[in-house]
Amino acid sequence: GESVGLHLPTLSVQEGDNSIINCAYSNSASDYFIWYKQESGKGPQFIIDIRSNMDKRQGQRVTVLLNKTVKHLSLQIAATQPGDSAVYFCAPGDSSYKLIFGSGTRLLVRP
Amino acid sequence: GAVVSQHPSWVICKSGTSVKIECRSLDFQATTMFWYRQFPKQSLMLMATSNEGSKATYEQGVEKDKFLINHASLTLSTLTVTSAHPEDSSFYICSARDGRTQETQYFGPGTRLLVL
Repeated sequence: GESVGLHLPTLSVQEGDNSIINCAYSNSASDYFIWYKQESGKGPQFIIDIRSNMDKRQGQRVTVLLNKTVKHLSLQIAATQPGDSAVYFCAPGDSSYKLIFGSGTRLLVRP
Repeated sequence: GAVVSQHPSWVICKSGTSVKIECRSLDFQATTMFWYRQFPKQSLMLMATSNEGSKATYEQGVEKDKFLINHASLTLSTLTVTSAHPEDSSFYICSARDGRTQETQYFGPGTRLLVL
């Protein structure tokens, strides 16, 4: 069945450093991928998305890289700030519009 | 834009009662709405997909008679937990898909349900 996994369940970074959160997926039919940020007690917040016909997309302080060959994507956060502390989920989707959430990576930003 | 609200934000009820949770898209028309539940320190689990004007599609293992979903308009979907029991206590989150942007789902703030 579908599975989405994350290489690092918890990532601790120094404030100001760059963060890289990785995600592996298994469904070859996934044609778009969304990264969400979830703070404690809140709903997921959209960060950035990327379609399968792209390998890189940049937003404000964030970059998503997609490697379809190995079914892997990453979220890079530049100059990580305390407000970036949260759980990050990658969610691949396909033509059904359903999203499959991975287990999440907790990002801790040290002051 | 793309704001989704949920009401109530939290609810405590007695075992055996029913609880209704509302999900609204405030500034866009939601072609499809989704309902998830999330247990502490776990990921989101999709419960059902709801299209306006049609019956919801439930994921495997989700009881449709227990979790009633109504999607009467393009901006409102409701989830009713019927005859709630303590094991139904969870964080329920809805999302809405904006038909204009196709794939992206925007999430509500969640509803925390505690069944005593």
